[in-house]
Amino acid sequence: GAGVSQSPSNKVTEKGKDVELRCDPISGHTALYWYRQSLGQGLEFLIYFQGNSAPDKSGLPSDRFSAERTGGSVSTLTIQRTQQEDSAVYLCASSLVSAGDAREQYFGPGTRLTVT
Amino acid sequence: QKEVEQDPGPLSVPEGAIVSLNCTYSNSAFQYFMWYRQYSRKGPELLMYTYSSGNKEDGRFTAQVDKSSKYISLFIRDSQPSDSATYLCAKYNFNKFYFGSGTKLNVKP
Repeated sequence: GAGVSQSPSNKVTEKGKDVELRCDPISGHTALYWYRQSLGQGLEFLIYFQGNSAPDKSGLPSDRFSAERTGGSVSTLTIQRTQQEDSAVYLCASSLVSAGDAREQYFGPGTRLTVT
Repeated sequence: QKEVEQDPGPLSVPEGAIVSLNCTYSNSAFQYFMWYRQYSRKGPELLMYTYSSGNKEDGRFTAQVDKSSKYISLFIRDSQPSDSATYLCAKYNFNKFYFGSGTKLNVKP
């Protein structure tokens, strides 16, 4: 079946502009994660959605970052007033939570964001 | 202190070699440990995961957790050029994943 998809695959934007990144998780997966991966760095957790529960936003680096998940499926990560340090690959992952356990997560290909 | 520490490499080995990739972790609470493989410009893919301690084998790959030393390892037997990628270790606890920075592996033909 279809895996996790993300769009756009690449985004170049000017400093100060807002950007929206989209994630389509695997159908039926209730958990959705956003991560940021900078060159030579590991994956930095940003935000976690699980079903209808309030999202875990503890990883968002500033109030310029926000995310929503509509209808328990598609998610959008929005970065306002982008800065050069926001340049990174933004990865989305989804998993099927069973008994509160979401350890098998599947990643999308990522969106490579470049802020000039 | 980071939750998971990993040597970034790069690690270069000849085809057919046994590869050993390692990570250390902090906080010994109940948790799972994972290994992901990430090819260039792709998302990570889950290779295998183990619970808390012990070994798990899947084909040419063996994952090992040493709880006493807080060490997790991935062994690749008979390494192939197609194994060339970045390998990320991670631990999972209470819906949170903590990733190492990844070790870049190059298997030379």
